[in-house]
Amino acid sequence: DQQVKQNSPSLSVQEGRISILNCDYTNSMFDYFLWYKKYPAEGPTFLISISSIKDKNEDGRFTVFLNKSAKHLSLHIVPSQPGDSAVYFCAAYTGNQFYFGTGTSLTVIP
Amino acid sequence: KAGVTQTPRYLIKTRGQQVTLSCSPISGHRSVSWYQQTPGQGLQFLFEYFSETQRNKGNFPGRFSGRQFSNSRSEMNVSTLELGDSALYLCASSVDGRNQPQHFGDGTRLSIL
Repeated sequence: DQQVKQNSPSLSVQEGRISILNCDYTNSMFDYFLWYKKYPAEGPTFLISISSIKDKNEDGRFTVFLNKSAKHLSLHIVPSQPGDSAVYFCAAYTGNQFYFGTGTSLTVIP
Repeated sequence: KAGVTQTPRYLIKTRGQQVTLSCSPISGHRSVSWYQQTPGQGLQFLFEYFSETQRNKGNFPGRFSGRQFSNSRSEMNVSTLELGDSALYLCASSVDGRNQPQHFGDGTRLSIL
């Protein structure tokens, strides 16, 4: 049972434009959400997180939005750069465990 | 500060064998979690260790086991290997395993022939 879903396996964006990656979840007990980036042959690296008591968190070019009523999480990257090309995973935490989505492969076209 | 180190990076085994993977967490991190990643799947949680005790466990068969040592290093063992066990196994550490980012190693790529 996939409690965290990323319904878009891939996304292509022109350099300089906005990239929007989406994530949906089903468990209302999730209280902490994260985004990770993964390059081939490397482990995931932490990007940005948000607590369930907030609806937005920014860190430089990266902003995460949380819509609890819709059980929806999104990551905005502005402006997108070729180095952002990677697989992005969203993750959610409840009590004792992290749950990960299946990933979205982002390609930023120069 | 050294990151999470996983050894070996690549491993080839045959069906029925067993395998042990190793993970050295970041210094000061007491929580170590293991994940399995297969194509088309997200990271599937295997188990988490904290202070040498298994604190959480995912939905994997008993062939998958682990342990943690007093220095927080962790090992994962898979017995009676099956073709479906071919995957990338990732280890992640954090200070106490609660709602904070985990730091991942680069994984061990296990291939079963």
